[in-house]
Amino acid sequence: DVKVTQSSRYLVKRTGEKVFLECVQDMDHENMFWYRQDPGLGLRLIYFSYDVKMKEKGDIPEGYSVSREKKERFSLILESASTNQTSMYLCASSSSAYEQYFGPGTRLTVT
Amino acid sequence: AQSVSQHNHHVILSEAASLELGCNYSYGGTVNLFWYVQYPGQHLQLLLKYFSGDPLVKGIKGFEAEFIKSKFSFNLRKPSVQWSDTAEYFCAVNARTGRRALTFGSGTRLQVQP
Repeated sequence: DVKVTQSSRYLVKRTGEKVFLECVQDMDHENMFWYRQDPGLGLRLIYFSYDVKMKEKGDIPEGYSVSREKKERFSLILESASTNQTSMYLCASSSSAYEQYFGPGTRLTVT
Repeated sequence: AQSVSQHNHHVILSEAASLELGCNYSYGGTVNLFWYVQYPGQHLQLLLKYFSGDPLVKGIKGFEAEFIKSKFSFNLRKPSVQWSDTAEYFCAVNARTGRRALTFGSGTRLQVQP
């Protein structure tokens, strides 16, 4: 059974703080993704990675960066958190078959 | 660029009613199609998928979807809903070649009343 874990379920940060969200998958998947989920907007892609040390921008990368130093781990970084980054953040992984497996999500509140 | 439209934002049904949720996508090439479900407090999980072959696909929990290429549609159906189907449903698409990330619709919140 594929397992995708995220470091925190709930997180509260202050405006301007640097925030790290961690994601780990245990199925040796090549591809990993970060999405944010907002009511009425569905899921929107922030960044994705096809391989270690490789990253590509998604549809809404502004204000975010990512790091993939190991195949199983994909980190999302908010360089300077802002209130409009309050959201649910979802990590996913997939093999080349395209079906994605999602983690439980991190609900981030920026005050 | 791909886009996905889900026409129903909030659907309320009584138990045993039939369900059909609309999904249309916009993309010029060949696509893979998915329906994901998110039960209250749980993570997103795959309901069903279409890659190729028979355009009528069956998923878990009695759900099915039909791919109609001429209409760019992939509607989700269930003949008789249960209270436990209360959840948010997302249609998603990715291109058969190129970017593997999914493009999601805005979601449909289904509420089934007992």
